[in-house]
Amino acid sequence: EVQLVQSGAEVKKPGESLKISCKGSGYSFTSYWIGWVRQMPGEGLEWMGIIYPGDSETRYSPSFQGQVTISADKSINTAYLQWRSLKASDTAMYYCAREAGTTASFNMWGQGTMVTVSS
Amino acid sequence: EIVLTQSPGTLSLSPGERATLSCRASQSVRSSYLAWYQQNPGQAPRLLIFGASSRATGIPDRFSGSGSGTDFTLSISRLEPEDFAVYYCQQYGSSPYTFGQGTKLEIK
Repeated sequence: EVQLVQSGAEVKKPGESLKISCKGSGYSFTSYWIGWVRQMPGEGLEWMGIIYPGDSETRYSPSFQGQVTISADKSINTAYLQWRSLKASDTAMYYCAREAGTTASFNMWGQGTMVTVSS
Repeated sequence: EIVLTQSPGTLSLSPGERATLSCRASQSVRSSYLAWYQQNPGQAPRLLIFGASSRATGIPDRFSGSGSGTDFTLSISRLEPEDFAVYYCQQYGSSPYTFGQGTKLEIK
C-alpha cells in the first residue's frame, strides 16, 4: 500500500527549533517529488515547496524561502520540514504530499502534523 | 506568482442539485495544469481532478472539470451528502504551485 506517514503533533515555544518528518512506503521514494503544504487554523491550503528525493533538488515558494528548510534522506525514505526559530504564526497543520508522477498534482497525502507554537 | 481566485466563497445547495465552482487565474495556466481537491473537516485533501479535466483514480463520474487558459470549472452533477466539503483548485504549471482560497459547499 502506498502511503505517507507523518510524525506526531508538536507543541513548541517561540524561538525553538523543530523538524517534522514524512515517511513514504509502498513505492520508489526517490522517483516522486514530495511537497509540503501549510494550513493555518480555519484557513486554506498554501504550497510551501517541493523536493525530489532522488537528487534533493528543492523548490520553495517565495513566501517560505528562508523561513523553512525542506530536506530528504533517501536511505530511510523520509522527507523533512524544518524551522530554526519558530514563531507563533507558524502554528498550523502541515501536510506532506506526493506528486502523481505524470502530473505535478498531489495524489497522495500524509495525515498531517499539527504544530502549535505558544509561550 | 499565479494567483487563483475561487468563487463563490460559499455555495449552498441541496442533495441532488448540480454544483458549479469557478477558479480564475491571474495569468494563463500552462498546459491546463490545473487540479481540484476536496477537503472534509479534520481530513487531508483528496485529489479529484488533474490536467483540468481528468478524474483521479476512484473519483465518481459525477465530478467533472473543464476550462483552459485562465478560467476553470469544477462541476458536480448530482450532489451526494458526502460531497459537502471545501474545494480547492491548484495550478502546477508555474512554480510556486499555488492554491485558490477555497469554496465551501454547504447543505442548504
